Amino acid sequence: DAGVIQSPRHEVTEMGQEVTLRCKPISGHDYLFWYRQTMMRGLELLIYFNNNVPIDDSGMPEDRFSAKMPNASFSTLKIQPSEPRDSAVYFCASSLGGPGTDTQYFGPGTRLTVL
Amino acid sequence: RKEVEQDPGPFNVPEGATVAFNCTYSNSASQSFFWYRQDCRKEPKLLMSVYSSGNEDGRFTAQLNRASQYISLLIRDSKLSDSATYLCVVNEQPDYKLSFGAGTTVTVRA
Repeated sequence: DAGVIQSPRHEVTEMGQEVTLRCKPISGHDYLFWYRQTMMRGLELLIYFNNNVPIDDSGMPEDRFSAKMPNASFSTLKIQPSEPRDSAVYFCASSLGGPGTDTQYFGPGTRLTVL
Repeated sequence: RKEVEQDPGPFNVPEGATVAFNCTYSNSASQSFFWYRQDCRKEPKLLMSVYSSGNEDGRFTAQLNRASQYISLLIRDSKLSDSATYLCVVNEQPDYKLSFGAGTTVTVRA
């Protein structure tokens, strides 16, 4: 059974460019989460969806970040324009139930480097 | 003040040793508690949930102390494969986001 799928696995881009990260959650999971992990700040929740609807986007750093979930099997996180401080590992996770009630399964992450 | 705080370690222990570490949380109303494990350059994975009465899963024992607002993880008979970063995770209320600690690194040496 496939887990959470993320693409690309690695992305290197130049400052000012648009970056789009993609995620396919586990089939049947109603919740999808986007996290960012850095050495300085650890793992931070950016946004999460329930049944494709954004529930909490308070972690989205600024207007340069946007996330969409057009259907139950696909989500994107977009950064436009990208900045060097956006360099991090971005994880997507999914779960059957809401935070704290069911296990969150993480994808392998996208390692983003902005030069 | 951070919601979840952990001793970053590293805890360097020989194979077969017992290692234990704690995590403190700031919100006394927190509802659910977990330990996740993260291997180097990999994604976090749930290790175990932490219940009020404490719970064991093989060589791993987790305990919750609500009065002092900390949870603990104890690993007995350490294996080389236990080398990882252990993330303490707290959920303040149902359907509220999880708060992750920065992690405690454990290195088990032969």
